[in-house]
Amino acid sequence: EVQLVESGGGLVQPGGSLRLSCAASGFTFSNYAMSWVRQAPGKGLEWVSSISNSGSNTYYADSVKGRFTPSRDSSKDTLFLQMNSLRAEDTAVYYCATHTAMADWGQGTLVTVSS
Amino acid sequence: DIQMTQSPSSLSASVGDRVTITCRASQGITNDLGWYQQKPGKAPKRLIYAASSLQSGVPSRFSGSGSGTEFTLTISSLQPEDFATYYCLQYNSYPRTFGGGTKVEIK
Repeated sequence: EVQLVESGGGLVQPGGSLRLSCAASGFTFSNYAMSWVRQAPGKGLEWVSSISNSGSNTYYADSVKGRFTPSRDSSKDTLFLQMNSLRAEDTAVYYCATHTAMADWGQGTLVTVSS
Repeated sequence: DIQMTQSPSSLSASVGDRVTITCRASQGITNDLGWYQQKPGKAPKRLIYAASSLQSGVPSRFSGSGSGTEFTLTISSLQPEDFATYYCLQYNSYPRTFGGGTKVEIK
């Protein structure tokens, strides 16, 4: 059974940084691309970023380009999202998902950007 | 960027009703479309992939159809547990884009 467990969310001031983690199990992590999707309070789903299975290719929404960076550690079956220069509009629940077609999802981690 | 226009944004239906939700892509995406169900406070769950393939474990009352630019999700007989918000997602190209969502309320 695929399991994805996000962590690392919390309260951060505008301009600050945060690193999210997504621990994967139940499948061969190194074989699959992975994605991050977010959902602002009361709003719809927004794709944020994807990373290829090797980590050599990354893709970004315009809203986070230059500020967010996905990475992965296949020795630990873990996906990361480094978030810099955070803004109030980045406040959301962040989900990791398998593939770039979002097959399986974690439970999400809340990021709040506020002073 | 491909825009996904989902309609209606909300609907109210009775248990047993047939419900149809539509997503329209701003350009052709072949069948690279998924449908998701999200209940309050929970992560989305994929129901349909490749426009019409049922995800394992999903009840057969859910079905998807379409190709190119027009897609539909149909719930053949609405059940109380189907109260949720539904989203489409195109994964034909980057950036990936979701529809705006359809909130299904039970009458």
